[in-house]
Amino acid sequence: AQKVTQAQTEISVVEKEDVTLDCVYETRDTTYYLFWYKQPPSGELVFLIRRNSFDEQNEISGRYSWNFQKSTSSFNFTITASQVVDSAVYFCALSEASNTGNQFYFGTGTSLTVIP
Amino acid sequence: DTGVSQNPRHKITKRGQNVTFRCDPISEHNRLYWYRQTLGQGPEFLTYFQNEAQLEKSRLLSDRFSAERPKGSFSTLEIQRTEQGDSAMYLCASSLLFRVAGDIEQFFGPGTRLTVL
Repeated sequence: AQKVTQAQTEISVVEKEDVTLDCVYETRDTTYYLFWYKQPPSGELVFLIRRNSFDEQNEISGRYSWNFQKSTSSFNFTITASQVVDSAVYFCALSEASNTGNQFYFGTGTSLTVIP
Repeated sequence: DTGVSQNPRHKITKRGQNVTFRCDPISEHNRLYWYRQTLGQGPEFLTYFQNEAQLEKSRLLSDRFSAERPKGSFSTLEIQRTEQGDSAMYLCASSLLFRVAGDIEQFFGPGTRLTVL
């Protein structure tokens, strides 16, 4: 079974619009970690945020914000006032504490295009 | 040290040939991971090392694949008798094990894009 689901394959928005990228995860662990990465056209995955399962506080970093809800197993990512430079593929990932290697399970990604 | 580096960035080979990729992690990181990413998909875990020990291998890692990390520094991933299905981006990542509890971010290299003709 897919551990991380990103149902939105592609999203297009006009510059300055807000956009939310959805992520739903599945795990039996009580301790786990959730991540968002950005993959621009150059291909390198850029770390954006980590959230621990025991910390449900939402986080804001500049134009980025994250909404973590254990009740719905979701970890959504919102970009406010989107810019062309935000165009990339965004991946949500899960790491389970029971896995000693802390390997990541990635979703299939959401391709965001910001139109100027 | 500016990050994880991978070489080569691109590799084109003919089916049946052997290829080897190299990854240089962030210098103080003791964990190193290999992932494979195909078009339109997220990265999939292949294997990881803690220092020089290879501790886990995915079922995706067939017998034609071998990885090493001598002396716990750089790592190599070799694919023998390449097949067209091996065409993908091979990503390397490194992390520092539990510097702080839960501090397990993996930092990725730019990847090696393999094309098997």
